[in-house]
Amino acid sequence: RKEVEQDPGPFNVPEGATVAFNCTYSNSASQSFFWYRQDCRKEPKLLMSVYSSGNEDGRFTAQLNRASQYISLLIRDSKLSDSATYLCVVNNLGANAGKSTFGDGTTLTVKP
Amino acid sequence: NAGVTQTPKFRVLKTGQSMTLLCAQDMNHEYMYWYRQDPGMGLRLIHYSVGEGTTAKGEVPDGYNVSRLKKQNFLLGLESAAPSQTSVYFCASSYARASGGKETQYFGPGTRLLVL
Repeated sequence: RKEVEQDPGPFNVPEGATVAFNCTYSNSASQSFFWYRQDCRKEPKLLMSVYSSGNEDGRFTAQLNRASQYISLLIRDSKLSDSATYLCVVNNLGANAGKSTFGDGTTLTVKP
Repeated sequence: NAGVTQTPKFRVLKTGQSMTLLCAQDMNHEYMYWYRQDPGMGLRLIHYSVGEGTTAKGEVPDGYNVSRLKKQNFLLGLESAAPSQTSVYFCASSYARASGGKETQYFGPGTRLLVL
C-alpha cells in the first residue's frame, strides 16, 4: 500500500461545477499536510496547507480528518484555469523528518 | 530573487555516460531535495539534505549520488546512466521542517533527462 493515495481521476467537469478530491495517508505520525498544484510540464507549486480545523482560500477548501487519516480539497465554481494536476503531500516528523511524501496526483480538466 | 534554478533544462545521454545536475537556491533555505517524476506519477524523493555538508537517502536513491558543499547548491550525479533513469528531475528547497508554513517547498523548473 502506498503511503499517500489519491483519487486516480481524471476528473472532467464543466465550468462552475464543484469538485472534491480525497487523499488518504497511512502513517499516523504524519504531522503536516498540503495540496500542491502542478500544471502540465511545470513544477509543483503550493496551493494551500491543510490545518486540523479546516481552512478556506477563496474557492478552495481543505479539510483534515486525523482519525480517518484523510485530507480533502474542495473546489467551488470551477474555472478553466483550475485545470491541472493536484498533488497531496504529507510531511512526517521524527525518524522521517525532512521528507515529504507525494501522492500520484489527481488530474482535473475543467471544460467550457 | 531567482528562487530555485536548475541546470541544464534538458539533456540526452547515452547509456553508461555520467552527468551532474545542478540546483541552486537564493532563499537561504536549509533543506534541499531532489525528486524524479515519471509520466502519470507523483514525485519520488531521491536524496535530500537538511543542511550544508549533510545528505540523506530518500525513497529511490540507487544509481544517484548527491553533494551539498555549499548551502545554496545541491548537486545530483548520475555515475552511469541507464534508460530507467529517463525522467523529469525536480529540485526543491524549504526553509525548515517546522510547522507554521516554513516547510513549504519551492521547486525549480525541472530537468528533462532522456537516456538512450
